[in-house]
Amino acid sequence: AVRMTQSPSSFSAPTGDRVTITCRASEGVHSYLAWYRQRSGKAPKLLIHGAVSLQSGVPSRFSGSGSGTNFTLTISSLQAEDSATYYCQQYYGYPLTFGGGTKVEI
Amino acid sequence: EVQLLESGGGSVQPGGSLRLSCPVSEFTLSNVAMSWVRQAPGKGPEWVSTISDSGVDTWYADAVKGRVTISRDSSKNTLYLQMNALRVDDTAIYYCAKGGGGYNPFDWWGQGTLVSVSS
Repeated sequence: AVRMTQSPSSFSAPTGDRVTITCRASEGVHSYLAWYRQRSGKAPKLLIHGAVSLQSGVPSRFSGSGSGTNFTLTISSLQAEDSATYYCQQYYGYPLTFGGGTKVEI
Repeated sequence: EVQLLESGGGSVQPGGSLRLSCPVSEFTLSNVAMSWVRQAPGKGPEWVSTISDSGVDTWYADAVKGRVTISRDSSKNTLYLQMNALRVDDTAIYYCAKGGGGYNPFDWWGQGTLVSVSS
């Protein structure tokens, strides 16, 4: 199984900051990489797919980059509503696997 | 708007069974792959199973293989997960999600249904 490793596991930053979360795959997944945001008590929500494509309706402050084994999610200007846990997920092959999550506090 | 509405969760003893249901609206099950994803308390999401858009192919996580069956009823536009021989470590919120097959991410999720396995 492809192991997804996220870093950092958590951090705190003020509103307006530019923040980056990293995700590394144990083997190449091409660009079949998604990012999700999960607010407390809610289901995950798709933010980025294909490593770099913004899902419809998602604010443009979110962006993704990378391919192969190394990926990043960037929030260009952190907002209060971005307080959540963020997960990366590969959908290149079964079993589909998620990273361990990055908890972002504002 | 796309909606997925899970039901069927509950409390069960180890070794018991449950069937989860997920009726969907605003899209047709026979056109898309569908999946079940679970999340144990305080943990990250864990993929459980996927059924292909054709309904012919299914995939399962090793942790549930042989105990769980994914299926769908296209006439009811509803996805199912039959879970047997439940174990304590199956305790989780179970989400149905659109996608997960054919190189597609999970682009829509239900609100989840809680399965609690304890003696």
